[in-house]
Amino acid sequence: NAGVTQTPKFQVLKTGQSMTLQCAQDMNHEYMSWYRQDPGMGLRLIHYSVGAGITDQGEVPNGYNVSRSTTEDFPLRLLSAAPSQTSVYFCAASPGRIYEQYFGPGTRLTVT
Amino acid sequence: SQQGEEDPQALSIQEGENATMNCSYKTSINNLQWYRQNSGRGLVHLILIRSNEREKHSGRLRVTLDTSKKSSSLLITASRAADTASYFCATDPQGAQKLVFGQGTRLTINP
Repeated sequence: NAGVTQTPKFQVLKTGQSMTLQCAQDMNHEYMSWYRQDPGMGLRLIHYSVGAGITDQGEVPNGYNVSRSTTEDFPLRLLSAAPSQTSVYFCAASPGRIYEQYFGPGTRLTVT
Repeated sequence: SQQGEEDPQALSIQEGENATMNCSYKTSINNLQWYRQNSGRGLVHLILIRSNEREKHSGRLRVTLDTSKKSSSLLITASRAADTASYFCATDPQGAQKLVFGQGTRLTINP
């Protein structure tokens, strides 16, 4: 039982490149979410999903896309990377937003 | 702006002392959660308190919730070096499908 896994752990992109951050969970939880963490800003919600086929925007969705084709996977796509997207990205899963959130180990992204 | 705001932003105490962190929020909530984050790691859930509860305990942790003041506090008793971490509150605003995190309190326990 791995919980929530994220790949890659580290990534360096050039401005304008695109990439997908992977998030997978083996707990069969319906609710999944993506956050970014910047120094002094805490965690900010990017996108979330209440179940397969359903996604919605959080506080800072611009520049990011998500999809939820299965319960297990919730990838985050950066369409055209910008230096402002340099951050640590965390994925989380839970039975619902009112329950304990299980976080992945994070992906540290640098955009040059 | 952030729904939850922790206070203080940073706290440094001696091992064995108690540490108190506060969280204030703006709108009515269904529940409030506290998380810990060790440096470079993901967040770990500590405790959840529902809006109809006033106090909750878990080991050395004590959480209070005052919905009239829209605030919560996390007390860690008899602190240990291993408690050094950042602590975040997360609120579940009524009418929203989101969990919103505050900016965190950085706690340092000095030996």
